[in-house]
Amino acid sequence: AQSVAQPEDQVNVAEGNPLTVKCTYSVSGNPYLFWYVQYPNRGLQFLLKYITGDNLVKGSYGFEAEFNKSQTSFHLKKPSALVSDSALYFCAVRDAGGFKTIFGAGTRLFVKA
Amino acid sequence: DAMVIQNPRYQVTQFGKPVTLSCSQTLNHNVMYWYQQKSSQAPKLLFHYYDKDFNNEADTPDNFQSRRPNTSFCFLDIRSPGLGDAAMYLCATSREGGGRAFFGQGTRLTVV
Repeated sequence: AQSVAQPEDQVNVAEGNPLTVKCTYSVSGNPYLFWYVQYPNRGLQFLLKYITGDNLVKGSYGFEAEFNKSQTSFHLKKPSALVSDSALYFCAVRDAGGFKTIFGAGTRLFVKA
Repeated sequence: DAMVIQNPRYQVTQFGKPVTLSCSQTLNHNVMYWYQQKSSQAPKLLFHYYDKDFNNEADTPDNFQSRRPNTSFCFLDIRSPGLGDAAMYLCATSREGGGRAFFGQGTRLTVV
């Protein structure tokens, strides 16, 4: 069975500083990995995905994520945080042969001005 | 342009009174999902359709049913809502394969 873990409930960072939101996964076979962001009372917005290819994936709004197969991790990063990045971030995994997307518990990002 | 549309955005229903939430898509995706999300927790998959094939999660209560009359529409029926069913319900679509999911804005259900 596939699973995904986000070990931090909350991440605090000052505006302009780099940010990292952590994610580890477990899936049989090759994983499809995703990051989504959610603002209050809204649906989830897609940021980026890893299917195959380069381990560093670039996505929307300046975000990127690094796929590390040996550590089964897919951490979300941004070189310079903005106050407007404050939101709830979800990592998700799907196994290559299926349709079921499983979400992590979410990490709330606070960016202080 | 909205691609996955959920109606209504907010729904109030009475305890035990059947309620239906709707979702439509303009993407022509063959996979549609319903998730339940409580209090900023992880969205929990209730079921999904691959075309007309219905796939129920093992832990989805029988109280929750779904219909997909055609490619564009999918409905979530809650036969007898309890207070514990109050949540945000998210509809999503994807293409088969590695496609990302497209989410609607969600319907927030309140049970009184």
